[in-house]
Amino acid sequence: NAGVMQNPRHLVRRRGQEARLRCSPMKGHSHVYWYRQLPEEGLKFMVYLQKENIIDESGMPKERFSAEFPKEGPSILRIQQVVRGDSAAYFCASSPRDEKLFFGSGTQLSVL
Amino acid sequence: QQQVKQSPQSLIVQKGGISIINCAYENTAFDYFPWYQQFPGKGPALLIAIRPDVSEKKEGRFTISFNKSAKQFSLHIMDSQPGDSATYFCAASIEDSSYKLIFGSGTRLLVRP
Repeated sequence: NAGVMQNPRHLVRRRGQEARLRCSPMKGHSHVYWYRQLPEEGLKFMVYLQKENIIDESGMPKERFSAEFPKEGPSILRIQQVVRGDSAAYFCASSPRDEKLFFGSGTQLSVL
Repeated sequence: QQQVKQSPQSLIVQKGGISIINCAYENTAFDYFPWYQQFPGKGPALLIAIRPDVSEKKEGRFTISFNKSAKQFSLHIMDSQPGDSATYFCAASIEDSSYKLIFGSGTRLLVRP
């Protein structure tokens, strides 16, 4: 039973480019969450999705960030026009219900 | 009010010793308190969790102590091993939104052989 799969592991973008981070939840999990971890800090909640629905996006920056979890395929976190401050580790988690989150290994985004 | 304060920032313990990490919170609505273990390059993994209706929970060498009146909880690692060297995060959430974990800033534990 594979865990939460995130790709790519490392993503390098220049300022102004777009970043797309992908997450496939554990088998049988229908709830997906995105968290961001800045260096030397704890994780911070960004968004909670179920298939085709955004349940809670209270942690998402108002601009440039969006997330989706389509009926088919992985969840996508999209960051448009990246800036240096977006450099962070982005973790996806999944759960069968909204408890006991299982985290992936993360995508390290570096903005040059 | 939404913060969870964690200390110490780093901790060095000899093999076989006890590692103690402390967390404090302000929001009395928090009712779920998990601890996560994170190895370099990996995502956090749930280690142990507690709800405020009990004062202590033990799983193997890991124990959570919870003091509701003081709004504090701590992780004790007994007989610490070099393999326990990792970053540990406490967290808290509210039942209605238990997925929205508020994480502490982390404690980097090093267990010396």
